[in-house]
Amino acid sequence: EPEVTQTPSHQVTQMGQEVILRCVPISNHLYFYWYRQILGQKVEFLVSFYNNEISEKSEIFDDQFSVERPDGSNFTLKIRSTKLEDSAMYFCASRSDREGTDTQYFGPGTRLTVL
Amino acid sequence: AQKVTQAQTEISVVEKEDVTLDCVYETRDTTYYLFWYKQPPSGELVFLIRRNSFDEQNEISGRYSWNFQKSTSSFNFTITASQVVDSAVYFCALRRYNQGGKLIFGQGTELSVKP
Repeated sequence: EPEVTQTPSHQVTQMGQEVILRCVPISNHLYFYWYRQILGQKVEFLVSFYNNEISEKSEIFDDQFSVERPDGSNFTLKIRSTKLEDSAMYFCASRSDREGTDTQYFGPGTRLTVL
Repeated sequence: AQKVTQAQTEISVVEKEDVTLDCVYETRDTTYYLFWYKQPPSGELVFLIRRNSFDEQNEISGRYSWNFQKSTSSFNFTITASQVVDSAVYFCALRRYNQGGKLIFGQGTELSVKP
């Protein structure tokens, strides 16, 4: 069964450093998402991406964040200058555009620790 | 504004007990989708069910059942004869019927099933 994959599973970085989180969505999916979950809290939407552009973003997704689909398979989230409060689990998700089969499927997550 | 409330932060039951996880949502949309996801201790988000707003039929899948009531804006989840493997955090989520389709999650209910 196809699944969303994410790398790395755990990333430790120093405050102020840039990080890139990588995701490979399910191959025939056209909508891509990033969410984050601070430890013990709910899952929060960051950004959605469709047709090579951002379709929606939350207040959390400020200028420090960017997303890219550099090729036909990868979807990346870049944090330019990490802050302590960026420490969280980051989930990538994807879904198809066909009505009735448009459930979002999540990857296993990347745990980001900012020291 | 869209909102999902899971008032039960933690529930503890003994194996074989039935347990119901409550979910109440707020939306002004007439068309929307509701979801339940399971987050086991390993951290991934596992899709359980998707419901359209125009389909109020209750659903049963093995030991799992869902009760959707538009009149009370609730989408409750019942596990019958709970098992230790059901221990996890369960999230209810709402999605608007639009192109972006971000998920709005509730706070989650942590279910602990003791042997």
